[in-house]
Amino acid sequence: AQSVTQLDSQVPVFEEAPVELRCNYSSSVSVYLFWYVQYPNQGLQLLLKYLSGSTLVKGINGFEAEFNKSQTSFHLRKPSVHISDTAEYFCAVTPLFGGGGADGLTFGKGTHLIIQP
Amino acid sequence: DAGVTQSPTHLIKTRGQQVTLRCSPKSGHDTVSWYQQALGQGPQFIFQYYEEEERQRGNFPDRFSGHQFPNYSSELNVNALLLGDSALYLCASSLGTETSYEQYFGPGTRLTVT
Repeated sequence: AQSVTQLDSQVPVFEEAPVELRCNYSSSVSVYLFWYVQYPNQGLQLLLKYLSGSTLVKGINGFEAEFNKSQTSFHLRKPSVHISDTAEYFCAVTPLFGGGGADGLTFGKGTHLIIQP
Repeated sequence: DAGVTQSPTHLIKTRGQQVTLRCSPKSGHDTVSWYQQALGQGPQFIFQYYEEEERQRGNFPDRFSGHQFPNYSSELNVNALLLGDSALYLCASSLGTETSYEQYFGPGTRLTVT
């Protein structure tokens, strides 16, 4: 079984400042890793994913994340945030075996990013 | 290109009743997964359907059942509703078996049980 821990339930940041949202995972097998964003009253939108290769992955809306296998982390970063980035962010994993995804995604509890003007 | 659609948007039911939620996958996708998102929590995997069969199931009781139709659309049925079933139910679609991890989510159905 897998588990995901998002270390901060809420992160307030001033507009145009950098931000890092932390994610740690636990798994006895190799996993794929994802970050999703959820705007109010909407479903989830995929920001970025790590499958293999370079540990630094770039996503949409200027976000990037770095996979650190030794620390079992997949932190999300953005160098300069905007008011429109205010949303809930979810880190998720799924095991590689079984065709990947068949076991569903295991999500963290989410981090609410609050952008202050 | 139509994305994942779900109906209804909102639903209010009474304890003990039964409910059916519907999902149409993104065009070209053949796999549907269902998730429950309680207030303030991350989504939890209920089950996944592929080729009209339940392929994998999360830690949910048998009151939760589903179906996939030949056109790949899917239904989630919940029997004997409990207050704790109140949540946002999300449907996600993906393609095949090797890339079923790349899931596209619908807007969800908000279920309130009173």
